[in-house]
Parts: sequence; C-alpha cells; structure tokens
Amino acid sequence: DADVTQTPRNRITKTGKRIMLECSQTKGHDRMYWYRQDPGLGLRLIYYSFDVKDINKGEISDGYSVSRQAQAKFSLSLESAIPNQTALYFCATSQGNEQFFGPGTRLTVL
Amino acid sequence: SQQGEEDPQALSIQEGENATMNCSYKTSINNLQWYRQNSGRGLVHLILIRSNEREKHSGRLRVTLDTSKKSSSLLITASRAADTASYFCAEEEAGSYQLTFGKGTKLSVIP
Repeated sequence: DADVTQTPRNRITKTGKRIMLECSQTKGHDRMYWYRQDPGLGLRLIYYSFDVKDINKGEISDGYSVSRQAQAKFSLSLESAIPNQTALYFCATSQGNEQFFGPGTRLTVL
Repeated sequence: SQQGEEDPQALSIQEGENATMNCSYKTSINNLQWYRQNSGRGLVHLILIRSNEREKHSGRLRVTLDTSKKSSSLLITASRAADTASYFCAEEEAGSYQLTFGKGTKLSVIP
C-alpha cells in the first residue's frame, strides 16, 4: 500500500462549489504539506502543518482552507471553487528534510 | 518567497549521454534538494546537498552546490530512456522545513 494517499485522484466540479481533497499517510510523519502544480510553474505551497495543532499559510493560501484531523490526515478545502484553481494538487509529508509525495489529485473547475 | 529558476527548461539527449541541469535559488539555505517527477505523478526525492557541502554523489547522480553564486547543478551520467522525466530543485530556507521549488527541467532521453 502507498505511504501517502490522496482522494479523489480526479475531480471535475463547477464554479462556486465547495470541494475537499483528502490526504492520508501511514509514515507516522508529523509534518504535512499541500501544494498545487500548474504547467510551467513548478510546485507552490498552499498550507503546511508541523503537527496536529499547528497550521500555517503558504505562498498561495487565498481561496483555500485546511484541516488537520489527526497526525495521519490533512484535508484541503476550496470553499467556492473558481476556474483558476484548476490544477494538479499534491500532498506531501516529512519527518526529516526529505518530503514524500502522494500521487496527486487532478482538479478541474468549470 | 520566490521560486528559483532551472536551466534549461527542456533538454533532449541520446541514451548514454550525460545530462546537466542547473538551478539558481534565492535564499540562504539549509540544504538544496533535487526531485524527479514522471509525467503527472508525485515527486520523488533524489538527493540532498547541505549548505556546507560542495559536491555529492549517488549512483549516476552528481550534485554540486555553489553558495556564493546561489546555484546548484545536477548531472545524470550515462542516461537511460527511463530517466525521461521532469527534474526540480527545491531550496530549504535556513530555519524552516519548507521547500521552495523551481520550475523544473523536462528531460527527454531518446533510445
């Protein structure tokens, strides 16, 4: 089984809808991250959490919120989706310096 | 923070040749890391070089770091078709566990 899983893997939604992306990990890591990837722009950090009680905004947090339900679970929400949030979303975990990535969620907002 | 830059954006080589990718970064770093991404998939960590190191090797990978120029390079020797992927550098700023990724180099290795 994969160490970092993301659900759903693909999602198509409409403008204005609320959507939640979920991330689970079995690595026992304290730190978890959410990134988005757009063509030609690499990965940009949305939110990160260093433990269950610690949530921090990243470079591009506007329009997003997160919840750290447990050490193993970190969810990303789009309160009211807009088309420019169409992207590939990755969750990652770390305990040391190296980060371990999930397989990604491809989100399309129409 | 601002993203670093990789150079070139795309690179196409024949199998067996060496591939060199360069990365410039912005901050004072703890370390610089290189990741690989196969098309549309999650990133995989390749190698980490700390700010007090100048060169590091791992198998066919060689990474250099020049902190005076805020630059790093990744060399893949004797490339294989399976090395075809996008490669990203990521700087870990001093005092943080956050990574700032570059925009990546897309490598194509032609059999």
